[in-house]
Amino acid sequence: EADIYQTPRYLVIGTGKKITLECSQTMGHDKMYWYQQDPGMELHLIHYSYGVNSTEKGDLSSESTVSRIRTEHFPLTLESARPSHTSQYLCASSYGGGAYEQYFGPGTRLTVT
Amino acid sequence: DAKTTQPNSMESNEEEPVHLPCNHSTISGTDYIHWYRQLPSQGPEYVIHGLTSNVNNRMASLAIAEDRKSSTLILHRATLRDAAVYYCILRGGFGGGGADGLTFGKGTHLIIQP
Repeated sequence: EADIYQTPRYLVIGTGKKITLECSQTMGHDKMYWYQQDPGMELHLIHYSYGVNSTEKGDLSSESTVSRIRTEHFPLTLESARPSHTSQYLCASSYGGGAYEQYFGPGTRLTVT
Repeated sequence: DAKTTQPNSMESNEEEPVHLPCNHSTISGTDYIHWYRQLPSQGPEYVIHGLTSNVNNRMASLAIAEDRKSSTLILHRATLRDAAVYYCILRGGFGGGGADGLTFGKGTHLIIQP
């Protein structure tokens, strides 16, 4: 079983609030990822990191930001939540490269009212 | 990453084997073939991956065509808990380019009848 955790699992918040979604893994993986998935739709990569102090934007443009100051921790922040940010956010980690699988957390389901 | 093609949905009976096909005619020599599945309201779960040879693990088997242009995920004895969306994804051996994330398509929605 993968040791990757996300909190909170569900979040309902009002427009304009600042939110941080937490993601942590205990597998010592250098590479971490954030994906976004709208209900019934495909997953899209929004951020990734190769290691500490490394962050890059993914394939899908996102207003969120990420940081990586510890190997095990990769939080995602929205400075001012909007209803368009309502979605499921999934964190993953990997040793990296095609030879290695990615492990996913359970996801955070965000609803902005 | 090279593109994969999967059927939108498949149906099978409980306790029977399931063969999920995937076509990837533009696969490169360094691309690994990965399979993930996503159960309702959960994050994706790794199933299996391989490069050239067939692979087996406790969850499934992966049969890779000799020319690598197609592969088949085999669930040997489906249960109701195997009902999920199954994704076939190619990943470059050296990190898949800059992003190195997974490129998910629509996958195959597997329905298991009791």
